[in-house]
Amino acid sequence: GENVEQHPSTLSVQEGDSAVIKCTYSDSASNYFPWYKQELGKGPQLIIDIRSNVGEKKDQRIAVTLNKTAKHFSLHITETQPEDSAVYFCAASYMTGNQFYFGTGTSLTVIP
Amino acid sequence: GAVVSQHPSWVICKSGTSVKIECRSLDFQATTMFWYRQFPKQSLMLMATSNEGSKATYEQGVEKDKFLINHASLTLSTLTVTSAHPEDSSFYICSAAQTGKTQYFGPGTRLLVL
Repeated sequence: GENVEQHPSTLSVQEGDSAVIKCTYSDSASNYFPWYKQELGKGPQLIIDIRSNVGEKKDQRIAVTLNKTAKHFSLHITETQPEDSAVYFCAASYMTGNQFYFGTGTSLTVIP
Repeated sequence: GAVVSQHPSWVICKSGTSVKIECRSLDFQATTMFWYRQFPKQSLMLMATSNEGSKATYEQGVEKDKFLINHASLTLSTLTVTSAHPEDSSFYICSAAQTGKTQYFGPGTRLLVL
């Protein structure tokens, strides 16, 4: 089955700096890669996603890049703000709506 | 759009009792709903997948007689923790998806079994 690894497990950045979180996956058949933000005591919220026919996608301060050959994808947050502090999870699946394989999470702290 | 609710948001119960958690997709019809369990500072662990009108598919190691899942309609799935014990205390999260579309997660239910 699919195995998703996520790094780093914790990340601290100064407000205004960029944050990058990286994930690798093992199954080349995976073709959908969402990213979720989870605040303490809440459910995960979808923040951005990318399909395997696209190499990069951007939504304001958030971007995701995908390298299918290397089987890795990354989340980039620019101009970080304290409200970006949360746990971020990457996931991979064969198709949307199917089982998601989650990474282990990255706890991001943005220092004011 | 794509709002998923859970009820209750938290529940405390005595050991040996059963607890029912509801998951509703408020503005879309969910052909598939998923139930996850999350321990502190850990990732989401898939417990089971349910399709409307069908029996749930449980992940290995999840007791189907203990965690009863019902997906009676396209907008409602329920998870019943039967004969709950302190080790069942956890954060339970559901998600819902339409065919071919991504999963949207509920806010979670925190269960504490005394």
